[in-house]
Amino acid sequence: DTGVSQDPRHKITKRGQNVTFRCDPISEHNRLYWYRQTLGQGPEFLTYFQNEAQLEKSRLLSDRFSAERPKGSFSTLEIQRTEQGDSAMYLCASSPPTTANTGELFFGEGSRLTVL
Amino acid sequence: GQQLNQSPQSMFIQEGEDVSMNCTSSSIFNTWLWYKQDPGEGPVLLIALYKAGELTSNGRLTAQFGITRKDSFLNISASIPSDVGIYFCAGQILTGGGNKLTFGTGTQLKVEL
Repeated sequence: DTGVSQDPRHKITKRGQNVTFRCDPISEHNRLYWYRQTLGQGPEFLTYFQNEAQLEKSRLLSDRFSAERPKGSFSTLEIQRTEQGDSAMYLCASSPPTTANTGELFFGEGSRLTVL
Repeated sequence: GQQLNQSPQSMFIQEGEDVSMNCTSSSIFNTWLWYKQDPGEGPVLLIALYKAGELTSNGRLTAQFGITRKDSFLNISASIPSDVGIYFCAGQILTGGGNKLTFGTGTQLKVEL
């Protein structure tokens, strides 16, 4: 399967702990996005990368959140000192250079975070 | 963050019926898109619209980009069981880079056999 891969699929943690999610985009997709989806809502944009450069961050991305894409391939999203309000599905998506501004995103299956 | 308004919130229809759902925004978008999300999966693009007034079809799906650029609708004809899922509209403002999308609140479709 050559789709967007996310790991772990599920994470349960206690409030105050740090968690890290990994995303492997479709190969040759130069853009990578992180979205957050809470129950009953649509995905909300968090941040995106073009190659290794983080080009935009949403105001939703507080100081406790950090995303990296060090070599322009996989990306990690870390949440420090988790809070119950961080419980959500974290979706990663990628897009190739040829569909740069078409709105077409290829999403992974998401990483579901539950903070107790 | 901002979310687009979708209606209805959920629909329970009979197999074979036509379905219509819409999406409205207080902001103008350059692109309107419709995605479908199955349980435990990420959203998948169904149809994309790039010009105000544009009417586009993809199989049994038909979508239109509103003239005001603040709304869109999606029609599904002759629904089948695999149409079950959550349908999201999404808008995009072209800011010079990236596919940053604003999604709607979703319409959940349930099909009765």
